[in-house]
Amino acid sequence: AQKVTQAQTEISVVEKEDVTLDCVYETRDTTYYLFWYKQPPSGELVFLIRRNSFDEQNEISGRYSWNFQKSTSSFNFTITASQVVDSAVYFCALSVEAGNNRKLIWGLGTSLAVNP
Amino acid sequence: DTAVSQTPKYLVTQMGNDKSIKCEQNLGHDTMYWYKQDSKKFLKIMFSYNNKELIINETVPNRFSPKSPDKAHLNLHINSLELGDSAVYFCASRRGVHTEAFFGQGTRLTVV
Repeated sequence: AQKVTQAQTEISVVEKEDVTLDCVYETRDTTYYLFWYKQPPSGELVFLIRRNSFDEQNEISGRYSWNFQKSTSSFNFTITASQVVDSAVYFCALSVEAGNNRKLIWGLGTSLAVNP
Repeated sequence: DTAVSQTPKYLVTQMGNDKSIKCEQNLGHDTMYWYKQDSKKFLKIMFSYNNKELIINETVPNRFSPKSPDKAHLNLHINSLELGDSAVYFCASRRGVHTEAFFGQGTRLTVV
């Protein structure tokens, strides 16, 4: 099976709390790519990060950090010192082979509410 | 300078009508997609085109017909609209199979 599981449907935190969004994936591909996207209330889908299966280094970008662990097939996303503007739906996605092409398999998203 | 633009942003129409959504990307990408996002935010791929050629065609009613006149454009035509077609439709493009997708702002289709 090729799928992405985001077990947390909704998370609610208070501003300045740290929050981790979980993403677990399954794939038969040996080479694959993982992504995180943000969908704020305005509706657009914003790309956050891409990670390939050979690069297990963690990534930090400002208050955002990502922890990729092949051993547990997880690609978790942490927001440090959350802010109200972080309120959005966050999607994890997996790029898998589809014939001669690749397609993105999406998780169901985690809705994050950051309250003042 | 919008990278992926789709029109219209909102579309309200009656059941049984035929409508089109247009998408254009100015990124020089070879691959374009149509996605449907339902009310529960589930994103489902509908079609993928690579250099004007249909690559992915998920299980979508044949009332939906994509058309790609050139690799910068991918339009979606929907015949005989049904209530269940109400959703947000996103166009997206990618430079290559391993890269991130860039999305348009979405078209909110409401069938009444």
